[in-house]
Amino acid sequence: KNEVEQSPQNLTAQEGEFITINCSYSVGISALHWLQQHPGGGIVSLFMLSSGKKKHGRLIATINIQEKHSSLHITASHPRDSAVYICAVRVNNDMRFGAGTRLTVKP
Amino acid sequence: ETGVTQTPRHLVMGMTNKKSLKCEQHLGHNAMYWYKQSAKKPLELMFVYSLEERVENNSVPSRFSPECPNSSHLFLHLHTLQPEDSALYLCASSRPIRSDRGYDEQYFGPGTRLTVT
Repeated sequence: KNEVEQSPQNLTAQEGEFITINCSYSVGISALHWLQQHPGGGIVSLFMLSSGKKKHGRLIATINIQEKHSSLHITASHPRDSAVYICAVRVNNDMRFGAGTRLTVKP
Repeated sequence: ETGVTQTPRHLVMGMTNKKSLKCEQHLGHNAMYWYKQSAKKPLELMFVYSLEERVENNSVPSRFSPECPNSSHLFLHLHTLQPEDSALYLCASSRPIRSDRGYDEQYFGPGTRLTVT
């Protein structure tokens, strides 16, 4: 069992819908990252969290350290949000990655 | 554009070849990372350099040899690779690693897609 589990694996939404992607982990962490990977491979770091909630534009990330769970929300989704979203956790000097959630937003 | 560049973007090599991947960052960062992303597998952290010293080496086979000549450049030297080494190799950089904070927010390059024939 992977130490970092993401759900769903695949998600298709209509433009404008509210999106939630979940990440659960089973190890003690010092921080959690949300990454966005576009077709072709380029990765963008969206958030780095160690507690609470962060917001950037239409993206919101939350983390509950006690429950070992994080969510990434996208409000008013748009086709350009279509990408793979990856959850990663820092465990001491190592990084562990989820398998990613493939999001497709249809116009 | 994240300020991290990688060359080449695509590479096809035979199992007996020697090649190198190059990563360069223009962000003033002091930590650099190599990641491997194989098809249908999660990202894997391969090597970490902080202030030009290797601080992490996650049981990577010796046919992969990293080099960090200065804080702006990182290389991954490849020799006698296997077909299963075909993957996307990503470089990232960040501010220095601190004992109380670990790795900081990372900026990724576009990756080199490697095919070993």
